[in-house]
Amino acid sequence: QSVLTQPPSASGTPGQRVTISCSGSSSNIGSDYVYWYQQLPGTAPKLLIYKNNQRPSGVPDRFSGSKSGTSASLAISGLRSEDEADYYCAAWDASLGARLFGGGTKLTVL
Amino acid sequence: QVQLQESGPGLVKPSETLSLTCTVSGGSISSYYWSWIRQPPGKGLEWIGYIYYSGSTMYNPSLQSRVTMSLDMSKNQISLKLNSVTAADTAVYYCARSSWDIVFDYWGQGTLVTVSS
Repeated sequence: QSVLTQPPSASGTPGQRVTISCSGSSSNIGSDYVYWYQQLPGTAPKLLIYKNNQRPSGVPDRFSGSKSGTSASLAISGLRSEDEADYYCAAWDASLGARLFGGGTKLTVL
Repeated sequence: QVQLQESGPGLVKPSETLSLTCTVSGGSISSYYWSWIRQPPGKGLEWIGYIYYSGSTMYNPSLQSRVTMSLDMSKNQISLKLNSVTAADTAVYYCARSSWDIVFDYWGQGTLVTVSS
């Protein structure tokens, strides 16, 4: 079990808005930035959101991140078939002295 | 455009040492943190550790006793050694770049390492 908890799966239909949660503690999400990565099937992860809610150049504004206390969320609006992927949150854990990843959420576009 | 490419043996015997190299092209390794991250087949991501361009390192406590990272500025390469491997170390190994404020902005394509006799 990961220290950062994500739902194992999520789903939505094209055009819908879906959110993926990431729950941690005061030693990780509560005291550090949250990052989100998208991993399309058979490929390396790609940075999607950095510093809680910032989008790298080239990432559509359909993707947004937020953080409150010891939890964070990734929202995807206007869902598209190409969004079907695994999504991971990440944060530094000051107690463990390690960069942690959530267990990942598999997003299915129905 | 920065590109990272992992290379190394795809098969390692149990109890031996896994050795991988990450070659960076399109940019310098200076001023960045370079991490190794692995992903067992069908599972999630695990951070192994990072090396700063100055040579300072930080390893995941769960792997610290078996991990060594180094870099070669002249070749723009970062290396990973993981000793005493077991089947549990079978995974796709990625290298990734971080700056002081953006974590893992560039990734290599990954290389599968299987531990088996």
